[in-house]
Amino acid sequence: KAGVTQTPRYLIKTRGQQVTLSCSPISGHRSVSWYQQTPGQGLQFLFEYFSETQRNKGNFPGRFSGRQFSNSRSEMNVSTLELGDSALYLCASSFPGGLGAFFGQGTRLTVV
Amino acid sequence: DAKTTQPNSMESNEEEPVHLPCNHSTISGTDYIHWYRQLPSQGPEYVIHGLTSNVNNRMASLAIAEDRKSSTLILHRATLRDAAVYYCILRPSNNAGNMLTFGGGTRLMVKP
Repeated sequence: KAGVTQTPRYLIKTRGQQVTLSCSPISGHRSVSWYQQTPGQGLQFLFEYFSETQRNKGNFPGRFSGRQFSNSRSEMNVSTLELGDSALYLCASSFPGGLGAFFGQGTRLTVV
Repeated sequence: DAKTTQPNSMESNEEEPVHLPCNHSTISGTDYIHWYRQLPSQGPEYVIHGLTSNVNNRMASLAIAEDRKSSTLILHRATLRDAAVYYCILRPSNNAGNMLTFGGGTRLMVKP
């Protein structure tokens, strides 16, 4: 069974640009969540989608957005990139009501 | 979410048992105790979870105090591959999704 797949693995963007990251969950998983990991703030929850609807949202500015498609694949978008958005962005998926989350390897975004 | 407290780092010798403590004195009656670990350059990996009783799986054991205000993750024989950051997380039972609140975790170093 394939794990959670995130693309791309690495990305370099310029301040002010926007970026879209993709996450393909494990087959059958309908819940997808996103996290940002930085050395200073650690792992922080961004948002979660279930059946194409945002179910929970963390404390991040509106520049961070996401969506989920009918096949449960999810994308997150960051507009007007800032240097502080440089981070590892992680996606996790789980079964409905499942108690364990499965994480992808992440996308490392560098903003220059 | 209720807060957890873990030591910043611990050291262990290879092939010896490791006991990773976690304090969660404000845990509520319906909070599950979850453990994840993050190996270098990887996303977090689910290890184990429990509610009241001790739990065992192929990766580790979870010992939960009778008052549930603390728990211990036990690796029975540490290997070099167990070197990682271990996170103890409380997850409310009504949290059917993946909204996990990560603390700083414990960095486990394993010496050969």
